[in-house]
Amino acid sequence: EAQVTQNPRYLITVTGKKLTVTCSQNMNHEYMSWYRQDPGLGLRQIYYSMNVEVTDKGDVPEGYKVSRKEKRNFPLILESPSPNQTSLYFCASSFLPGLVPRTYNEQFFGPGTRLTVL
Amino acid sequence: SQQGEEDPQALSIQEGENATMNCSYKTSINNLQWYRQNSGRGLVHLILIRSNEREKHSGRLRVTLDTSKKSSSLLITASRAADTASYFCATESGGSNYKLTFGKGTLLTVNP
Repeated sequence: EAQVTQNPRYLITVTGKKLTVTCSQNMNHEYMSWYRQDPGLGLRQIYYSMNVEVTDKGDVPEGYKVSRKEKRNFPLILESPSPNQTSLYFCASSFLPGLVPRTYNEQFFGPGTRLTVL
Repeated sequence: SQQGEEDPQALSIQEGENATMNCSYKTSINNLQWYRQNSGRGLVHLILIRSNEREKHSGRLRVTLDTSKKSSSLLITASRAADTASYFCATESGGSNYKLTFGKGTLLTVNP
């Protein structure tokens, strides 16, 4: 089954304790992205990657890191979490339209990770 | 930066009625997409309309795009209780990063 998986689904942690949220897709997508969703603010992009070893900042990258060492995985790292990073996080993936003709960037989303930082 | 803005923010209808949601955006686009999100879950892609298209259908969904007004609408016909969800529009404005910018969504409640 084509899917994007995220782990953990729920996490409660304390300020300053480093954490990693994993994301994996099995659709051979080039493009992967992390979003956070907050009430009243909608979805905002944190980081994205257009291929292995190619990552770039989205709209709200402060306090986050990512890496893309393999095509299928795109972990999100919070080196020193703070309470303002309490949010619902989504990983998403898609084909890269520029590489394959007549494809568009419809994104497949993971189930979400609800993070609470105390 | 917010590109798409959905209207209304919330919509409550009876089963069997049609639901119409609107999306306005600010800059020119390559395509516009609609997604659905059931409470607290991942978004699911519904339909994509390209900038050179005016209308598109998929099952009970009908999407229109008016690039002169920078707006789109999503019509769900013969709604069902299972259509209860938040609906988001997302725009891709070109450029080298294929970024999708999401609106804040319309919460649709379909009452049985």
